[in-house]
Amino acid sequence: EVPLVESGGGLVQPGGSLRLSCATSGFTFSNYAFHWVRQAPGKGLEYVSAITTSGTTTYYANFVQGRFTISRDNSKNTLYLQMGSLRPEDMAIYYCVRVLSGSNTDAFDIWGQGTMVTVSS
Amino acid sequence: QSVLTQPPSVSGAPGQRVTISCTGTYSNIGAAYDVNWYQQLPGTAPKLLIYDNTNRPSGVPGRFSGSKSGTSASLAITGLRAEDEGEYYCQSFDSSLSDWVFGGGTKLTVL
Repeated sequence: EVPLVESGGGLVQPGGSLRLSCATSGFTFSNYAFHWVRQAPGKGLEYVSAITTSGTTTYYANFVQGRFTISRDNSKNTLYLQMGSLRPEDMAIYYCVRVLSGSNTDAFDIWGQGTMVTVSS
Repeated sequence: QSVLTQPPSVSGAPGQRVTISCTGTYSNIGAAYDVNWYQQLPGTAPKLLIYDNTNRPSGVPGRFSGSKSGTSASLAITGLRAEDEGEYYCQSFDSSLSDWVFGGGTKLTVL
């Protein structure tokens, strides 16, 4: 059983939108905070967005600039990332990551396999 | 340009010890924010190796250890093995940016 499974990636034109989902299993989803982390082809890791256990507090990297919305449905054990006004520089593998409970700077103890977002005309 | 600075590459022979540095500033590592380390093997998702500077998650071999001093942190790998070859990233939080930040990554080559 794979704990985190992302979906929703694909090819989108610049300016377009995508909704990523992360289905979780094997643990109590509502007990954990989550992040989205991305990795452009051949590049390093980059924080995108974070959400608390209840979903009432969200955080975004500076480059998001209001274009993305992170959310969660604790009844469906699923995390989401709604992305809009996509730019070529947003092209990356997007990982759903679980935050290790009690870690001081949000260590990411479980990673999904990632979903690829390609932004191109 | 990453907020946390790592050497682009390190290498070592099997059985040797290597260290990977992660240099920050007084708004991240130097501000007492802890450092986490990840290993990314080719074609796979990253894996948590060290959290809160020195702690190993269950299942991570004792060959991997972390330390922190001032505005820097280090990951040490002893008894180097061929399967350790991959990319290693440090991660912390930056209070000036109000963002979680990663190092640029270090490619480990086992000679």
